[in-house]
Amino acid sequence: EVQLVESGGGLVKPGGSLRLSCAASGFTFSSFSMNWVRQAPGKGLEWVSSTDYSSKAIYYADSVKGRFTISRDNAKNALYLQMNSLRVEDTAVYYCARATTLAGIAETGSGYWGQGTLVTVSS
Amino acid sequence: QSVLTQPPSASGTPGQRVTISCSGSSSNIGINTVNWYQQLPGTAPKLLIYSNNQRPSGVPDRFSGSKSGTSASLAISGLQSEDEADYFCGAWDDSLKGYVFGTGTKVTVL
Repeated sequence: EVQLVESGGGLVKPGGSLRLSCAASGFTFSSFSMNWVRQAPGKGLEWVSSTDYSSKAIYYADSVKGRFTISRDNAKNALYLQMNSLRVEDTAVYYCARATTLAGIAETGSGYWGQGTLVTVSS
Repeated sequence: QSVLTQPPSASGTPGQRVTISCSGSSSNIGINTVNWYQQLPGTAPKLLIYSNNQRPSGVPDRFSGSKSGTSASLAISGLQSEDEADYFCGAWDDSLKGYVFGTGTKVTVL
C-alpha cells in the first residue's frame, strides 16, 4: 500500500525557515515523480513544486521560486521542501503527492497524497 | 491565481447527473491531459480521473471525464450523498512550466 507521511510543519515567524519532510513507503520511490501541493485555509489547491525521479527536472511555482527548494533522497525514500523567507501568505496545509504512474505528473497527475502538514506563518 | 476556471458551485438531487466544467487555454488543457480530484471535507484530495478520462482503480464508473479543445468536463451520474465535496481539475501548463489547478467546484446534494 502506498503511504506518504508528511512532517515538519508548525508555527514560524515571517522571514523564518522550515523544512518539510515526506516519508514514502509501499512503492519504488526512486521511480516516481513527486510534488508538493498546498492549500491555504478555506482556499483551493496550489501546486508548489515538482521533481522527477532523478532530481534532474525540478519546477517551482512563481510564488515560491527563489525561496523554496525541493529535494529527494532516493536511498531514504524521502522527499523534502526547504522553505526560506517565509511569508504570511505561505500559511497552508502542505501535501506531499506522488505521480499516478511512471509517466509523471504532467501526464497523469497526482494519484497518491499524504495527509498534509500545517504551516502557519505569523508574528 | 488559478489558471483553470470552474463554476464555484453545482448541485443536484440524488440520482441526478451533474456536470462540472473546467476552462483553460492552449498552453495547458489545449495540449496536455486533464486530471480531476475530489476533496471531502477535512481530508486530502483524491484522484478521480487522470489522462482526461481514465479512472484509477476503485473509483466508481459514475464518474467520467472528457476533454475538447481547451475545456474539460467531469460528469457525476447517479449522484449520491457521499459525492458532496469539492472538485478540482488540474493540468500541466507548458508556458508556466508548472502544474495548475482549477478554482474548484463545491458540489451539493440536495
